[in-house]
Amino acid sequence: EPEVTQTPSHQVTQMGQEVILRCVPISNHLYFYWYRQILGQKVEFLVSFYNNEISEKSEIFDDQFSVERPDGSNFTLKIRSTKLEDSAMYFCASSVSGRANEQFFGPGTRLTVL
Amino acid sequence: GENVEQHPSTLSVQEGDSAVIKCTYSDSASNYFPWYKQELGKRPQLIIDIRSNVGEKKDQRIAVTLNKTAKHFSLHITETQPEDSAVYFCAASNNAGNMLTFGGGTRLMVKP
Repeated sequence: EPEVTQTPSHQVTQMGQEVILRCVPISNHLYFYWYRQILGQKVEFLVSFYNNEISEKSEIFDDQFSVERPDGSNFTLKIRSTKLEDSAMYFCASSVSGRANEQFFGPGTRLTVL
Repeated sequence: GENVEQHPSTLSVQEGDSAVIKCTYSDSASNYFPWYKQELGKRPQLIIDIRSNVGEKKDQRIAVTLNKTAKHFSLHITETQPEDSAVYFCAASNNAGNMLTFGGGTRLMVKP
């Protein structure tokens, strides 16, 4: 069964550094998402992406964040200048279509900012 | 925006007993309510979902009920097994977008 994949599984970085988290959504899916989960807390929506543009974003997704689909398979989340509070598990998800459709989650990237 | 509250935060049951997890939502426009199971260190996986045009949905030992008037929905697991032990998240979304708003999670422990 196809799955969403993410790399790396764990990323450690210094405060102020840029990080890029990578995701490969399921191949026939058209909608892509990033969520984050701070340790012990709820999963929080960051951004959704469709047709090569952001369709929705949360307040968390400020100017430090950006997303890109650089080719036909990858979907990336970039954090320009990491802060301590960016430490979290970042999940990529994808769905066949938007609006009331199952979102399939990747295994996550644990980001640790020192 | 949407706010989803989930209770209880932890739930311990004996194997074979039933477990019920409840969620409330604030946005009356929400019309899609999935439930995800997350085992330790793993990805959230959808176990069941319900849309606002039905009041109940069942899949083997798992059922979900929805009360649109009261804006709450519940997950029912019958004949619990140790492998049901995990964190369960409810979520909601509406036709205005496709973001999921999650509840705070319930850690279910099934004791053998």
